[in-house]
Amino acid sequence: DVKVTQSSRYLVKRTGEKVFLECVQDMDHENMFWYRQDPGLGLRLIYFSYDVKMKEKGDIPEGYSVSREKKERFSLILESASTNQTSMYLCASSLTTGADGYTFGSGTRLTVV
Amino acid sequence: AQSVTQPDIHITVSEGASLELRCNYSYGATPYLFWYVQSPGQGLQLLLKYFSGDTLVQGIKGFEAEFKRSQSSFNLRKPSVHWSDAAEYFCAVVANQAGTALIFGKGTTLSVSS
Repeated sequence: DVKVTQSSRYLVKRTGEKVFLECVQDMDHENMFWYRQDPGLGLRLIYFSYDVKMKEKGDIPEGYSVSREKKERFSLILESASTNQTSMYLCASSLTTGADGYTFGSGTRLTVV
Repeated sequence: AQSVTQPDIHITVSEGASLELRCNYSYGATPYLFWYVQSPGQGLQLLLKYFSGDTLVQGIKGFEAEFKRSQSSFNLRKPSVHWSDAAEYFCAVVANQAGTALIFGKGTTLSVSS
């Protein structure tokens, strides 16, 4: 089975800190994604990448950036964390068009205080 | 732009009763359609998917979904709900092309009463 691993399950950071959320997948998938999940809002796409060093903005990229230096790793960066970025962050990966669906990590619950 | 609407925020069903969760999508062509489930404190698990062909698709855990092009709907059904089905359910859509990403509905929370 494809495994998508997010480095932290829970994270508490201070306002203004630079925060790195790491995601690694082990099945050579081309596509990787970052979503945030908030109650009543479902999953909203932040950024995705369809190849190494390539990135595309999703629906809510403001306040975030990403890095994909290697195929298996996709990092989400909060340049200056704010309290409104307190959320559950989910990483996912997929082959090409996503026809097989996405495989999700277990999520990182980030609290910004 | 693609969009997904799940009209029901919360549904309560008695154990053993049938279930239908509604999903409507907006997209010009026939997209790929998915249903995911998320149990409390867990990640998302794929229940089933539709690309083309037979409009009634079977998934895991006894779930099925029917694609109706005329209604732009992809409703999820289960004939007899078990207490372990209590979870949040997400409908999602993605275009049939590279370089696009899954768009999710806001989810429906299912509670199961005894």
